[in-house]
Amino acid sequence: GQQVKQSSPSLTVQEGGISILNCDYENDMFDYFAWYKKYPDNSPTLLISVRSNVDKREDGRLTVFLNKSGKHFSLHITASQPEDTAVYLCAAAASSGSWQLIFGSGTQLTVMP
Amino acid sequence: AQTIHQWPVAEIKAVGSPLSLGCTIKGKSSPNLYWYWQATGGTLQQLFYSITVGQVESVVQLNLSASRPKDDQFILSTEKLLLSHSGFYLCAWRDRANSDYTFGSGTRLLVI
Repeated sequence: GQQVKQSSPSLTVQEGGISILNCDYENDMFDYFAWYKKYPDNSPTLLISVRSNVDKREDGRLTVFLNKSGKHFSLHITASQPEDTAVYLCAAAASSGSWQLIFGSGTQLTVMP
Repeated sequence: AQTIHQWPVAEIKAVGSPLSLGCTIKGKSSPNLYWYWQATGGTLQQLFYSITVGQVESVVQLNLSASRPKDDQFILSTEKLLLSHSGFYLCAWRDRANSDYTFGSGTRLLVI
């Protein structure tokens, strides 16, 4: 089964609004969580990452929220802009073992002007 | 600053032909290196990882092989391509200080 799951294949938000992207995971051993941005035919670019010893991390317009008991993490993008339109991939890894970074299937975010 | 370079950018190959994809990382000593693959419409999957020269671990069996002949080089290859090998191949390295992965620009492969 999918160890990292993005249930929403797409999300549309108005410019200036908050985009909320969600990710669920299965493996209790995951202790590293990340969000990547990907354009078509391009490689993913790391946006923000967080370790399991914190439940929130902010970087500019981006905030990651981690809910370990719910096995869920999310990315909030405030003041969304048309340039934020892209596929967003969540990923998780366990520091015990090979550090295999496992990706979700992605959510297409569209920010409407 | 570290740079990661993949080659070629794109390939169109015939079924049954050999393949070699390369990845080089500069500015980092003894990096952890990874090969990922994404089929069209699919999810990124890790194929191989390497912690040191000469050592490669397979994560997913896809009739591909990988080698690490030098500290800064990671090669993905097969002697006989299948149609199912088409997709986007990405090389990545992991920064041990913060655990972040950085990806190369990728190689797009079409097998016909």
